[in-house]
Amino acid sequence: QQQVKQSPQSLIVQKGGISIINCAYENTAFDYFPWYQQFPGKGPALLIAIRPDVSEKKEGRFTISFNKSAKQFSLHIMDSQPGDSATYFCAAMVVEYGNKLVFGAGTILRVKS
Amino acid sequence: EAGVAQSPRYKIIEKRQSVAFWCNPISGHATLYWYQQILGQGPKLLIQFQNNGVVDDSQLPKDRFSAERLKGVDSTLKIQPAKLEDSAVYLCASSLVQGASYNSPLHFGNGTRLTVT
Repeated sequence: QQQVKQSPQSLIVQKGGISIINCAYENTAFDYFPWYQQFPGKGPALLIAIRPDVSEKKEGRFTISFNKSAKQFSLHIMDSQPGDSATYFCAAMVVEYGNKLVFGAGTILRVKS
Repeated sequence: EAGVAQSPRYKIIEKRQSVAFWCNPISGHATLYWYQQILGQGPKLLIQFQNNGVVDDSQLPKDRFSAERLKGVDSTLKIQPAKLEDSAVYLCASSLVQGASYNSPLHFGNGTRLTVT
């Protein structure tokens, strides 16, 4: 019940295209859903996050879509650029005392120029 | 602000040897986390500190792993003795308040890549 399932495992997109990464969860108590971006040799860096009372959040070219009833959320990268090539992790947690952030397995994105 | 500092960046040891990793969180961050990231997987929490107290160590293999956060600032993670399956990147992270949240996200260091041969 603590798992977050992420797909696809890898993704190749042409420059200017839309990259879509999906995540699903089971624990309905999760109330914080961040996405992290990780470049080789670096630690994950927070990209964008959403609360379950919002169905969509957009920051620049990055959008999170959240479907509470389906227990799914996704990251959309519009106008994908070669510099977006990285590994993306979705995550979820319950924001209360002692709870931990649970990560998906990651999606390796490659944007071809 | 300065980020989370970790050292060393790389470490290669033989199985059954011991190793230690060091982390200095962002100044003022009360919560410190150690995550293990095995190649091809997402980070997995090993231990969470709030100041110098342990909040969650349920996934820490306590027969071989230990961690401390003296004085509520720097932290050290130790493995003794190491096994082949301990090969991974060990990430340290910190957050301003207890537990990551919308207003207090996790900030990660660049990790220590451990290879056990």
